[in-house]
Amino acid sequence: DADVTQTPRNRITKTGKRIMLECSQTKGHDRMYWYRQDPGLGLRLIYYSFDVKDINKGEISDGYSVSRQAQAKFSLSLESAIPNQTALYFCATSGQGGETQYFGPGTRLLVL
Amino acid sequence: AQSVTQPDIHITVSEGASLELRCNYSYGATPYLFWYVQSPGQGLQLLLKYFSGDTLVQGIKGFEAEFKRSQSSFNLRKPSVHWSDAAEYFCAVGQSGAGSYQLTFGKGTKLSVIP
Repeated sequence: DADVTQTPRNRITKTGKRIMLECSQTKGHDRMYWYRQDPGLGLRLIYYSFDVKDINKGEISDGYSVSRQAQAKFSLSLESAIPNQTALYFCATSGQGGETQYFGPGTRLLVL
Repeated sequence: AQSVTQPDIHITVSEGASLELRCNYSYGATPYLFWYVQSPGQGLQLLLKYFSGDTLVQGIKGFEAEFKRSQSSFNLRKPSVHWSDAAEYFCAVGQSGAGSYQLTFGKGTKLSVIP
């Protein structure tokens, strides 16, 4: 089984809808991250979390919120989706040292 | 703030040929450097990383990279490319910020392999 899983893998939604992307990990890591990937732009950090009680904004947090329900679970929400949030979203985890991040398979989101 | 530049958006090589993907970074202190690979429809897989020590690091799948501080570079190399190496490659630089670890990624280099 994969160490970092993301659900759903693909999602189509309409402008204005609220959606949630979920991430679970079995690596026992404390730190979790959400990134978005756009063609030609690489990956950009949306939010990151050191532990259940610690959540921080990344480079592009506007329009997104997160919830760390447990050490192993980190969810990303789009409160009111807009078309320019169409992207590939990745969850990642890292251990206490934090140096190396391990990525999930990604969620491809299309906002119409 | 740190930044990463991958000058080549797309590279095409013949199977069996050697490969070098370029990465230049900007960071005030000693960087932590990474190369990740993303195969079509897949997530990112770590190829190799440099934290300190020997500036030539070996990774998975026969890849290696060399850290050159004087050139602010961390180029990825492979002596003989296989068709399965066709993918997108991302260089990343890490920093220690607020007790955690934040990666800044380059925009990626897409590798195509001609049989």
